[in-house]
Amino acid sequence: DQQVKQNSPSLSVQEGRISILNCDYTNSMFDYFLWYKKYPAEGPTFLISISSIKDKNEDGRFTVFLNKSAKHLSLHIVPSQPGDSAVYFCAASALEGGSEKLVFGKGTKLTVNP
Amino acid sequence: GAVVSQHPSWVICKSGTSVKIECRSLDFQATTMFWYRQFPKQSLMLMATSNEGSKATYEQGVEKDKFLINHASLTLSTLTVTSAHPEDSSFYICSAKDGSYGYTFGSGTRLTVV
Repeated sequence: DQQVKQNSPSLSVQEGRISILNCDYTNSMFDYFLWYKKYPAEGPTFLISISSIKDKNEDGRFTVFLNKSAKHLSLHIVPSQPGDSAVYFCAASALEGGSEKLVFGKGTKLTVNP
Repeated sequence: GAVVSQHPSWVICKSGTSVKIECRSLDFQATTMFWYRQFPKQSLMLMATSNEGSKATYEQGVEKDKFLINHASLTLSTLTVTSAHPEDSSFYICSAKDGSYGYTFGSGTRLTVV
């Protein structure tokens, strides 16, 4: 049972355009959402997060939108740069059994073409 | 920012031997660390939550006798893969939660069992 879903395994965009990465979740107990960027054979690097009490959080070229009613969030990167090419993981956090857990989606591989 | 050091970055071992992976929080204390496993083109799967001074909490389906976790200090957690087999070959990643920076991940360990 996949609680966090990234239905697009890959995305290709042109440099300078907007990249939109989508993520859906099923567990209504998730109250904090995060996006990570990952290069091969490296650990994930934190990008941006959003609390469930907000619907938007912006940090430079990165903006995360949260639609709680639809259980959907998205990461917008604008303008996209070739250096943004990586795998992006959506993650959701919830308290479970007294401890906090982070659940990841399968990732979306973003390729930004020069 | 918070830094988590993971060692070794890659290891090759013979089937039947044991391998220890270390995870250190370098500039903060982590009462809780997390161990993940990632198969190719899959998401990071939480294996266990490591608690300083107490037993680790394992996720369903993870063999606690095979994946030994020790969290002896506030800055060090170790994962030992005992009697490793080729199916244990994977990418293992640890993370720790710092109050200021959220979850910080190690750089990962590529384990290959031959």
